[in-house]
Amino acid sequence: KAGVTQTPRYLIKTRGQQVTLSCSPISGHRSVSWYQQTPGQGLQFLFEYFSETQRNKGNFPGRFSGRQFSNSRSEMNVSTLELGDSALYLCASSLMNTGELFFGEGSRLTVL
Amino acid sequence: EDKVVQSPLSLVVHEGDTVTLNCSYEVTNFRSLLWYKQEKKAPTFLFMLTSSGIEKKSGRLSSILDKKELFSILNITATQTGDSAIYLCAVAFTGGGNKLTFGTGTQLKVEL
Repeated sequence: KAGVTQTPRYLIKTRGQQVTLSCSPISGHRSVSWYQQTPGQGLQFLFEYFSETQRNKGNFPGRFSGRQFSNSRSEMNVSTLELGDSALYLCASSLMNTGELFFGEGSRLTVL
Repeated sequence: EDKVVQSPLSLVVHEGDTVTLNCSYEVTNFRSLLWYKQEKKAPTFLFMLTSSGIEKKSGRLSSILDKKELFSILNITATQTGDSAIYLCAVAFTGGGNKLTFGTGTQLKVEL
């Protein structure tokens, strides 16, 4: 069974630009969560989508947004990029509400 | 503010050693505590603990939760070089879906 797929794997942007990251969950998983991982802050929760609805949101500014489509695929968008947005963005899908997450390999964003 | 603290931050051991990793938490609406292993990019699920005093075991790894003292430990016996990774502790919340708050992790290196 295919795992969680994230695209692109690596990208470089400049300050002020925007970026869209994509995540395809494991087939049958309706919950998709996004996390930001940085060396200083560790893994931080961005948001969770379930059946196209945002179910939970972390403490990130409004520049960070997401959505989920009817096939459970999800996208997250970061507008007006800042240097501090450089991070590994991890997507995770889940079959149930247990916290047992299946993570993708991540999208490494570098903001110059 | 919810807090998950792991110790030590890093450690180096020799193959065959036994290690104990610690995770303490101060959160509201605790539902469960989870352990993940991150070798390269994608964290992988190890254990979920919801009840105090019941050990979860998988091969050479085991974990236990103390809900009175608000901590968990992850033990790895007869360590191997393949155990080298970052071990992440996370807490899930009642009504929180799959939102997790992670600790910053313990970096374990196992040398020959």
